[in-house]
This record gives sequence, C-alpha cells and structure tokens, in this order.
Amino acid sequence: DAKTTQPNSMESNEEEPVHLPCNHSTISGTDYIHWYRQLPSQGPEYVIHGLTSNVNNRMASLAIAEDRKSSTLILHRATLRDAAVYYCILREGAAGNKLTFGGGTRVLVKP
Amino acid sequence: NAGVTQTPKFQVLKTGQSMTLQCAQDMNHNSMYWYRQDPGMGLRLIYYSASEGTTDKGEVPNGYNVSRLNKREFSLRLESAAPSQTSVYFCASSGIGAGYGYTFGSGTRLTVV
Repeated sequence: DAKTTQPNSMESNEEEPVHLPCNHSTISGTDYIHWYRQLPSQGPEYVIHGLTSNVNNRMASLAIAEDRKSSTLILHRATLRDAAVYYCILREGAAGNKLTFGGGTRVLVKP
Repeated sequence: NAGVTQTPKFQVLKTGQSMTLQCAQDMNHNSMYWYRQDPGMGLRLIYYSASEGTTDKGEVPNGYNVSRLNKREFSLRLESAAPSQTSVYFCASSGIGAGYGYTFGSGTRLTVV
C-alpha cells in the first residue's frame, strides 16, 4: 500500500490559517488523496479528497503539488472545534477499496 | 439521514465470551469496512466487503469473522473474546472507487476483562 508522511503535531492560533503538509512520494497515477479528521472520542470524519487539481469545500481546501508527491490541507480560519487528528491517506485507484490510516497530525488550536 | 449506525455503543465482555457488533448504512453504499482503534493509535482495518456477497481480510483479521448480511448490513463477530481485543471498533461505508469518501459510524467501545 502506498504510504504517507505527516508531522506528528502542529499548533495554531484561533482564527488563523492552518497548513497541514503530507508527503506521498510513492503515489501512483490512479491514487486519490483523501483527508479525514477525528475529533476526540468520535469516529473519523471525511474532510476532502482530490486527484490532481486543487479542491475546495466548506470545510477546507486541498492543494496538490504538480508532481502529486505532496499535498497540503488548508483550514482557512481555525476554530477551537478544529482541534483534532488529521489523517492524510491515499486511496488506491486500482483496488479503490481500502483506506490505510497512518499516525496523522494532531492539531492544537490555541485561543 | 442516519448514515452509518453501530450497535451497541459500549460492551464489556469476559474472556472467552462471544458477541456480534452490528453495522447498518442507509446511503446505498456498496462497500463496507470494520476498523479497530487502540488507545493513542491510528485505525487498523480488520475486514472489508467491497460489494454485497464478498468479504476480504484486512490488516488484523485474526480472532474475527464478518458477515455481509445484505447491502445495508455488515456484522463483526468475536467468537472467543480476548483482552487484546479491547478497543474501539468503527464501521464505515463507501461507494465503489477511489474517488468516494468514507462515512464512519460513531464506534463501539469494547472492553474484554
């Protein structure tokens, strides 16, 4: 399975943007980049996903490098409710069936 | 719209007891999954069902069995519970294909004593 590398933790101030990096140097051409977050004592929650182009939704933006070997999840204005573990995962295009979770990035938002 | 519903939410078992965790989704998704999450760790895939009528092993299948009862329901069975199976169990569902996101249930917190 393709793997991703994320920092263990990041801190941000409330109402400031948060940029969460993810490296996936072994990504194949049909792999989608997925982001999920897990708030304390809850199940993971889908955030965003993309293939090649940058993507925006109501929760976040996803910026994908031109060579697709890295990506960045952008939370435009962090709130205290955004404090969570954020997982960057490659969903394999060939099988498309499994998400393999890594350790994720724990985001702390300071008031 | 309920999404993915898991029952029970909490369970305490004695070593050697058996139980079945239930999962149902109402999103007409083809694929369903069972994960476990140990304290302070990421999620690990136990079993998955790519479509109705098929099941496959994930990363940590030992000690578990699954049944895809129909398109909506996917159950996980512990035949003889062990303390090492103390964990939080999450069920998820998805459309077929890498371009679909997963929807997760709220989890079952299982303690085996």
